[in-house]
Amino acid sequence: AQTVTQSQPEMSVQEAETVTLSCTYDTSESDYYLFWYKQPPSRQMILVIRQEAYKQQNATENRFSVNFQKAAKSFSLKISDSQLGDAAMYFCAYRSAGGTSGSRLTFGEGTQLTVNP
Amino acid sequence: NAGVTQTPKFQVLKTGQSMTLQCAQDMNHEYMSWYRQDPGMGLRLIHYSVGAGITDQGEVPNGYNVSRSTTEDFPLRLLSAAPSQTSVYFCASSYFLEETQYFGPGTRLLVL
Repeated sequence: AQTVTQSQPEMSVQEAETVTLSCTYDTSESDYYLFWYKQPPSRQMILVIRQEAYKQQNATENRFSVNFQKAAKSFSLKISDSQLGDAAMYFCAYRSAGGTSGSRLTFGEGTQLTVNP
Repeated sequence: NAGVTQTPKFQVLKTGQSMTLQCAQDMNHEYMSWYRQDPGMGLRLIHYSVGAGITDQGEVPNGYNVSRSTTEDFPLRLLSAAPSQTSVYFCASSYFLEETQYFGPGTRLLVL
């Protein structure tokens, strides 16, 4: 079974600064997807960014980028120019690329990000 | 397009009571799933379905039942509520094997 670990329960950053959230995972599969979800106080789960394991290039979405290290099974999220609206719980998630259970997500424990003005 | 809807938003139950959490989607997604979110544990999969008439257990299925009689609906039943089932419940859906899953707004359940 796959596992996802987020070792930072809480992080804080000053507005306009850069912060990196860590995520490691364990799997024996070679083809899979990795995601970062944001959960603001409204509780809505919002997809921030996704990475296909077969792609060497790190995914980028505006101020959000990832550092995907497949051999190390590491998938960190970098938020540049942090904004007050980035304050939220962030979850790292894993999904297999195929099979009957291919759509199920395995989540990490979450990292609570605080943005200080 | 309403996306994924969940009702109720909040519910208080007494130990031993039963209830059904509703989930519906209007995107014709084959895959639907239920997760529970507890502090410090992220989201954990309870049950999932890959199509009408097909369901399977996830990581934490005990105490919950599901059925999938239509593509649109995937209700989650608590047969005899326990305080350990106090949690926030999320329903999600997607096309089978599609990368992105769409989440509902969640149901907060308190069992006394």
